[in-house]
Amino acid sequence: AQKVTQAQTEISVVEKEDVTLDCVYETRDTTYYLFWYKQPPSGELVFLIRRNSFDEQNEISGRYSWNFQKSTSSFNFTITASQVVDSAVYFCALSATPIQGAQKLVFGQGTRLTINP
Amino acid sequence: DTGVSQNPRHKITKRGQNVTFRCDPISEHNRLYWYRQTLGQGPEFLTYFQNEAQLEKSRLLSDRFSAERPKGSFSTLEIQRTEQGDSAMYLCASSLPRLPYEQYFGPGTRLTVT
Repeated sequence: AQKVTQAQTEISVVEKEDVTLDCVYETRDTTYYLFWYKQPPSGELVFLIRRNSFDEQNEISGRYSWNFQKSTSSFNFTITASQVVDSAVYFCALSATPIQGAQKLVFGQGTRLTINP
Repeated sequence: DTGVSQNPRHKITKRGQNVTFRCDPISEHNRLYWYRQTLGQGPEFLTYFQNEAQLEKSRLLSDRFSAERPKGSFSTLEIQRTEQGDSAMYLCASSLPRLPYEQYFGPGTRLTVT
């Protein structure tokens, strides 16, 4: 079975601080995808990044960076110089590579990030 | 290009009533997913369509729930004889029929059963 754990339920920091959101996953599949989504108060899930299990290269996109470590089954997300607009609930998700049928996303419980001015 | 749209955005109903939600996916997306998200939790998979065929259903989808996608375009999710435990956000997502099948989500329909 697949499982995603986001141990941090809530994080609150002051603007301009760096913050890291943790994600640990479990799967028996050798090929899988990892995702991060952002859910602002409006409710719509916004795609941030996708990583496949063969690509352990870290990625940076502006103030966002992701650290994928297969050895520890972790896919952590760091926001550098946080801004108030980063306040949202962030979800880490996992899916197996579908041969047929659904690519079901298995989500963690989410981390509510609050950036205070 | 418009994204995934869902209607209504909010629905309040009394226990025992039937409700129906609609999802319009991105036009060229042939895969469509329904998820349910309860307060403080991540979304959970409910069901999946490829074109008009419903190919997979979660055990979460009791026999009071039915989903359709009659022409492979929009989809409806109906809940019969609603219960208070059905109160949740119902999310729809769609994707293209090729790797990595990236899912784009709609704004959701928030159901409150009183």
